[in-house]
Amino acid sequence: QVQLVESGGGVVQPGRSLRLSCAASGFTFSDYGMHWVRQAPGKGLEWVAVIWSDESNRKFADSVKGRFTISRDNSKNTLYLQLNSLRAEDTAVYYCARGRGSDYLDAFDIWGQGTMVTVSS
Amino acid sequence: EIVLTQSPATLSLSPGQRATLSCRASQSVSSYLAWYQQKPGQAPRLLIYDASNRATGIPVRFSGSGSGTDFTLTISSLEPEDFAVYYCQQRSNWPLTFGGGAKVEIK
Repeated sequence: QVQLVESGGGVVQPGRSLRLSCAASGFTFSDYGMHWVRQAPGKGLEWVAVIWSDESNRKFADSVKGRFTISRDNSKNTLYLQLNSLRAEDTAVYYCARGRGSDYLDAFDIWGQGTMVTVSS
Repeated sequence: EIVLTQSPATLSLSPGQRATLSCRASQSVSSYLAWYQQKPGQAPRLLIYDASNRATGIPVRFSGSGSGTDFTLTISSLEPEDFAVYYCQQRSNWPLTFGGGAKVEIK
């Protein structure tokens, strides 16, 4: 079945780095724009980043621009999020999500279960 | 950045009742608005996209309406599994943004 599975979360000190992965299955990964969305504990949803299906473009939320990078390996059906210069306010569950259509300004029709990132000294 | 304001923040209803949730955008998003349901400890689930289109597998008791700046999610008759938090999201402009969420709780 169509599935996204995130991994790579954990506890990290402020200023350090972490890389999240999202393994996709059950659909043609290379056909879809892919996003990261995060949710701080007890808070709402915040869109983080998107990458085009062919990696030709990326966009980021202002809160992470210059610190996070998004990439993908279509041969491995895997999406990545590199988190650098982490701050306490980056503490959240990070979800990968599939863009629903062919427009990268999109809704998210498939979500992973999320991976928790805690930034604390 | 387009700000989405959801109201009410909490709706206390009984099973079988009708739920009406509102989402107002700070500027027009045309019909590019989606609704999600999230239960505790779970990922969000897409309910409605482009204001009024039900996503795959979503029951007909969920419906969406609106355009421009004012949108509504209606649950015609609440089932026990519908008590959850609901978010709206716009896809009209970057950055993609979500509303703050609205909780539908059992009265």
